[in-house]
Amino acid sequence: EVQLVDSGGGLVEPGESLRISCAASGFILSNAYMHWVRQAPGKGLEWVGRIKSRSVGDTTEYAAPVRGRFIISRDDSKNTVSLQLNSLKTEDTAVYYCAREGSWTFEYWGRGTLVTVSS
Amino acid sequence: DIVMTQTPLSSPVTLGQPASISCKSSQSLVHSDGNTYLSWLHQRPGQPPRLLIYMLSNRFSGVPDRFSGSGAGTDFTLEISRVEAEDVGVYYCMQATHFPFTFGPGTKVDI
Repeated sequence: EVQLVDSGGGLVEPGESLRISCAASGFILSNAYMHWVRQAPGKGLEWVGRIKSRSVGDTTEYAAPVRGRFIISRDDSKNTVSLQLNSLKTEDTAVYYCAREGSWTFEYWGRGTLVTVSS
Repeated sequence: DIVMTQTPLSSPVTLGQPASISCKSSQSLVHSDGNTYLSWLHQRPGQPPRLLIYMLSNRFSGVPDRFSGSGAGTDFTLEISRVEAEDVGVYYCMQATHFPFTFGPGTKVDI
């Protein structure tokens, strides 16, 4: 059974950094394209970024609002994908979900972790 | 980026009755490989989204057959043949034909 467990969210001040993680099980993480999607309170879904599989070089891509500030990485030995959030802004406040890509969509989602950026 | 719009944004429904949601894209979602990468997701309050339909009309594993997807080009529809209580929540269309993936604003369905 595929499972994704998001963790690491919390309250930080503007300009600070935070690292959130997604623990994967039930599939071979290195073979998967993994994404982060966020949802601001009461709002819709926004794609944040993705890391491709090892076979295509772990290439990462990011949405314009986070490019240059957020970094996605993967640790296959720990079956974990991480999102490093730097230079955080109040508008980054959201629930962050990891999701596994399959069939050109998001087949499986984590339960999300809340990141709150406030002074 | 491709802009996705949905109508209605809110839809009161009646148990046992059909319901439909429309989704439109700012450009054709027909990929160069001939497929249309349009998906539908459902999010219940306090829960993560879950996949219902992928590649325009394919139901994901475990999705009841009362859900169906259709459409072509830039116009798409999600239909629920007979609404059940567990169908409340927000429905999102999403395109993956063009990068980056983009979502519609969501349609809230309540009884």
